[in-house]
Amino acid sequence: GENVEQHPSTLSVQEGDSAVIKCTYSDSASNYFPWYKQELGKRPQLIIDIRSNVGEKKDQRIAVTLNKTAKHFSLHITETQPEDSAVYFCAARWAAGNKLTFGGGTRVLVKP
Amino acid sequence: KAGVTQTPRYLIKTRGQQVTLSCSPISGHRSVSWYQQTPGQGLQFLFEYFSETQRNKGNFPGRFSGRQFSNSRSEMNVSTLELGDSALYLCASSEAGGDTQYFGPGTRLTVL
Repeated sequence: GENVEQHPSTLSVQEGDSAVIKCTYSDSASNYFPWYKQELGKRPQLIIDIRSNVGEKKDQRIAVTLNKTAKHFSLHITETQPEDSAVYFCAARWAAGNKLTFGGGTRVLVKP
Repeated sequence: KAGVTQTPRYLIKTRGQQVTLSCSPISGHRSVSWYQQTPGQGLQFLFEYFSETQRNKGNFPGRFSGRQFSNSRSEMNVSTLELGDSALYLCASSEAGGDTQYFGPGTRLTVL
């Protein structure tokens, strides 16, 4: 069935360093891969997404890469800041419609 | 535009009761998806409604049901509540044919 694995589950970085979170998915038919950031007590918010026909996408300090052959995609955050501390979720969409399967989440802590 | 809203924000019920949660999507959005978020299971897809029809369904028991009205507002119902149903229930809306799902603040359900 559909499955998304996310690693690591926790990540601690020094302010200014880079953070990388990796996800693998099970079904090669997946076509859309969003990343959400969820701060404590708040709703998940989309930070970046990528479609299956694109290999890389960048938005300021955030980038996502997709390797369809290996069925994995990664989130890269450069020059991390304390406000980047949150839980990050990757997700993948397979079927028509909007069913997202989420990874287990990565708790990122940026130490000042 | 106003964001996705959910009511109520907090709910306490006892085992065996039933509960109805409401979600109002962003104006013009016709797709509404529901997710359950728990510390142990993460974010899990419940179902998606589009134009008053259920388009996708997750792996939850029949106690979980939903519907969508002609104005795109959606409700989900959980009958015969169990302790394990305690969770944050999130809904998300998206435009017809759109990729991005915008989440509401969630309803925190506690079952005693």
